[in-house]
Amino acid sequence: GEDVEQSLFLSVREGDSSVINCTYTDSSSTYLYWYKQEPGAGLQLLTYIFSNMDMKQDQRLTVLLNKKDKHLSLRIADTQTGDSAIYFCALTGGATNKLIFGTGTLLAVQP
Amino acid sequence: DTAVSQTPKYLVTQMGNDKSIKCEQNLGHDTMYWYKQDSKKFLKIMFSYNNKELIINETVPNRFSPKSPDKAHLNLHINSLELGDSAVYFCASSQTGDNEQFFGPGTRLTVL
Repeated sequence: GEDVEQSLFLSVREGDSSVINCTYTDSSSTYLYWYKQEPGAGLQLLTYIFSNMDMKQDQRLTVLLNKKDKHLSLRIADTQTGDSAIYFCALTGGATNKLIFGTGTLLAVQP
Repeated sequence: DTAVSQTPKYLVTQMGNDKSIKCEQNLGHDTMYWYKQDSKKFLKIMFSYNNKELIINETVPNRFSPKSPDKAHLNLHINSLELGDSAVYFCASSQTGDNEQFFGPGTRLTVL
């Protein structure tokens, strides 16, 4: 089955950039996603990238996709304390559109 | 409010009991999902229904039985609860052809 791995934890200072990384084993997903989960809350879709793109920018968020290395990253510019959350990358698996989530990265933003 | 809602938000119960979690979406979507998030925050698909038909059934014990009375509802019934069932269960919905899945707020199930 698909393995989607992320580093567990990232700590940054407010105002700095954060880069959250994701590696995967199966490259058949048409779209790759980034979700945000705030404490005690559900998941919120932040952004997604089509698999034939290398980069997508959406305000403070930049998604980079390296299909050759099967590597996806999310860069958050000017990180704020409100960005503190768990971030999940996700891929769609097979014809059923089910989401396969990464292991999640806890982003802690220090004031 | 247009959203995916789940009830209850918290559920504490004894081992061996049977319980249900309800999910409703008023977004007009035709596909609904159940995901399980364990204590380490790992998220995994359990079931998916499209137009009331089961389309995904991962390797979940048959103590778990989803039921979709209509397109807007997907309930999860769990028989003979075990300690390992303790988790947060998320319902989600989407529309065929769209990328985004909309998630409910989750139900935290604690089995004692």
